[in-house]
Amino acid sequence: SQKIEQNSEALNIQEGKTATLTCNYTNYSPAYLQWYRQDPGRGPVFLLLIRENEKEKRKERLKVTFDTTLKQSLFHITASQPADSATYLCALGSSASKIIFGSGTRLSIRP
Amino acid sequence: ETGVTQTPRHLVMGMTNKKSLKCEQHLGHNAMYWYKQSAKKPLELMFVYNFKEQTENNSVPSRFSPECPNSSHLFLHLHTLQPEDSALYLCASRISGGGDTGELFFGEGSRLTVL
Repeated sequence: SQKIEQNSEALNIQEGKTATLTCNYTNYSPAYLQWYRQDPGRGPVFLLLIRENEKEKRKERLKVTFDTTLKQSLFHITASQPADSATYLCALGSSASKIIFGSGTRLSIRP
Repeated sequence: ETGVTQTPRHLVMGMTNKKSLKCEQHLGHNAMYWYKQSAKKPLELMFVYNFKEQTENNSVPSRFSPECPNSSHLFLHLHTLQPEDSALYLCASRISGGGDTGELFFGEGSRLTVL
């Protein structure tokens, strides 16, 4: 069955360092991959999308890589700040409708 | 404010009650989704509607009954639920079709507690 793993349930890093989150998937051939941020008690908010034919995408302090051979995406936040503390979700899409999510990584940035 | 509004935000119901969750978007999107989010589990896709037609039903028990009267409104009718159905129910919408990689816009969710 299709499976998405975000291998760290929680990640704690020092302010100013780069946070790197991992998303791995099996039994799936996504056309694209998305990353979302979710704060407690709120709905997820879209951050970045990367297509299957793209290797890397950047947006301000965010960078996403996508390796369809390894079936893995890495999500980086550079110069991390306490305000970046949240749960980050990766999501895969293939058909026109179906988008499935990983269980998320709870990121904490300590001052 | 994402443009997707869910009501009620909190709902407590007994196992024999019938209630409904409502989702509304005025973003001009043509696809609407219900997801279930339980603690420490991934978001579970429940239903997808494209242009008011149901295109995904992810083996959801019949005690959950969706309704999409138009592209702007989506309901989830609940009846004879179980305590394990307690969760955050999230509605989302997007533009679907034409090379389709559209982001999902989520509401704030309806927190359901089944006693």
